[in-house]
Amino acid sequence: ELKVEQNPLFLSMQEGKNYTIYCNYSTTSDRLYWYRQDPGKSLESLFVLLSNGAVKQEGRLMASLDTKARLSTLHITAAVHDLSATYFCAVDPGTYKYIFGTGTRLKVLA
Amino acid sequence: ETGVTQTPRHLVMGMTNKKSLKCEQHLGHNAMYWYKQSAKKPLELMFVYNFKEQTENNSVPSRFSPECPNSSHLFLHLHTLQPEDSALYLCASSPALGSSTDTQYFGPGTRLTVL
Repeated sequence: ELKVEQNPLFLSMQEGKNYTIYCNYSTTSDRLYWYRQDPGKSLESLFVLLSNGAVKQEGRLMASLDTKARLSTLHITAAVHDLSATYFCAVDPGTYKYIFGTGTRLKVLA
Repeated sequence: ETGVTQTPRHLVMGMTNKKSLKCEQHLGHNAMYWYKQSAKKPLELMFVYNFKEQTENNSVPSRFSPECPNSSHLFLHLHTLQPEDSALYLCASSPALGSSTDTQYFGPGTRLTVL
């Protein structure tokens, strides 16, 4: 069974701190996606990682992909309150059966 | 309107009712998806359509019936649902399956409550 696991599930951090969210998946996948969901809102695409070693950055967020380790990371630099949300990773194992992780609920404290 | 829209935003129905959820995308995409988001569970893919053809039915019970009349519209017909079907139903679209930029754009969702 294909699994996508994120950790931590909950993260409370102080503004200005750095932290990393991890996404592990159990089968080969050429694509990995990161999404953000604010409370009561829909999912917003953050990054699409298409190859091993891919790294993408947008503002205080940076995502990377290691297909050999089946691991993606979402690194948060100098967190601010506006980054509070739930972050999801998702993989496409090549069959368009997109599998989402359980999500990481991030709360940035002022 | 732009992006992906869904109606209604909230729906309460009894187990014997029949209702439909509607999704419309204004992005010129050719792939559309239905997802179910339940509390404390990962987002679950239900159906996938590519150029109006259904390519994926992820073992969804027959009380959920999708319809895709064209690449811009997607419906989810509901009948004789169970209370455990209460969830947020999200529609998404993407350029086309297999494209190199196959990011999905999500609608705001329909919050469904089955009594």
